[in-house]
Amino acid sequence: GESVGLHLPTLSVQEGDNSIINCAYSNSASDYFIWYKQESGKGPQFIIDIRSNMDKRQGQRVTVLLNKTVKHLSLQIAATQPGDSAVYFCAENMSGNQFYFGTGTSLTVIP
Amino acid sequence: GAVVSQHPSWVICKSGTSVKIECRSLDFQATTMFWYRQFPKQSLMLMATSNEGSKATYEQGVEKDKFLINHASLTLSTLTVTSAHPEDSSFYICSAKLRGRFAEAFFGQGTRLTVV
Repeated sequence: GESVGLHLPTLSVQEGDNSIINCAYSNSASDYFIWYKQESGKGPQFIIDIRSNMDKRQGQRVTVLLNKTVKHLSLQIAATQPGDSAVYFCAENMSGNQFYFGTGTSLTVIP
Repeated sequence: GAVVSQHPSWVICKSGTSVKIECRSLDFQATTMFWYRQFPKQSLMLMATSNEGSKATYEQGVEKDKFLINHASLTLSTLTVTSAHPEDSSFYICSAKLRGRFAEAFFGQGTRLTVV
């Protein structure tokens, strides 16, 4: 398998501030990455994706940065809102097959 | 986006019994589906890849005789937890991927299994 599940690290931010969530992926051959948001008791929801031929991709209020040299992804959320409180996972994909999930980060937005 | 539906959302069963979880792609055909398991406050662990019309591919450490996977059609995969024990209690999530090299995976809402 790929990344091993560990207990989630946590991040607390004030409403309106920017959030940065980090992820280390394990396979240098992975060439497609997705950030997912998971709310309690639900399945993951797609946020944004990035291919390995890119370093940065922007969406609405979110930006993903990819550093292939150190196998690191980050998700930046601008003007964080209470509805952003959830667990965030990065998932890596190689050759278009399975997605393997990173450890995840629990984000809490303080009103 | 594409919709993946799981059923049931929550199931409680007695030790020793078997439980079947269904995963359906509602508006697209999925030749490949994936089954994950998630313990509280942990990440999703890939259990197996379900291939339509052929045997599933299991990740290392996952017992194929305990977690039976059937992918009978392009829109349905089932996971059967056989002879369930309390340690099988977990959140099981399926996903389906659109065709294409860089295609996202869509996830079901998950099934909470409690074995008593």
